[in-house]
Amino acid sequence: SQQGEEDPQALSIQEGENATMNCSYKTSINNLQWYRQNSGRGLVHLILIRSNEREKHSGRLRVTLDTSKKSSSLLITASRAADTASYFCAMDYYFGTGTSLTVIP
Amino acid sequence: GAVVSQHPSRVICKSGTSVKIECRSLDFQATTMFWYRQFPKQSLMLMATSNEGSKATYEQGVEKDKFLINHASLTLSTLTVTSAHPEDSSFYICSARTYSTDTQYFGPGTRLTVL
Repeated sequence: SQQGEEDPQALSIQEGENATMNCSYKTSINNLQWYRQNSGRGLVHLILIRSNEREKHSGRLRVTLDTSKKSSSLLITASRAADTASYFCAMDYYFGTGTSLTVIP
Repeated sequence: GAVVSQHPSRVICKSGTSVKIECRSLDFQATTMFWYRQFPKQSLMLMATSNEGSKATYEQGVEKDKFLINHASLTLSTLTVTSAHPEDSSFYICSARTYSTDTQYFGPGTRLTVL
């Protein structure tokens, strides 16, 4: 069963702007991962953050984790049209509801 | 490295037939494999987890007699959808991990259409 909910469900921004997606979950976790999925395709692993970590960076991606609030956020800076995709958080092996991001050129 | 393949990528079958989907880890040994189902514009729903050589663990609500999972080797898991019906039409995605990492490596998915 899904553990997490993502907010917003859909997000539309202009190229160059930052995009922030939030993930909330219900039970304790060992790690949390973020994935990207282009329409109708497989998943691309973006970043893994462990339960004892608070923040991780990878290129234009910044992920935070607050285990006390059972929440995580994914920030994409300086967005590009190629970032248009669905983004999912996954708590251990269970996926959140996803955020559909559209970056307008 | 860490490539997972799925075959077939797309399958169309008649109602009542069985369909087998293969998931292979190409360059690593997968101690655990996962099967997910994804309906259009929805998230991935975990169906079952399988460890090599043992029976799969199914998530609540997933019919084990309908979705047969076999993880016969460290590089191959199969999902057989038995007596498929139109409501089984979906995107099926497998993933694999080794004992040494928490990262799952995902296959490209199989789109099943049942007529």
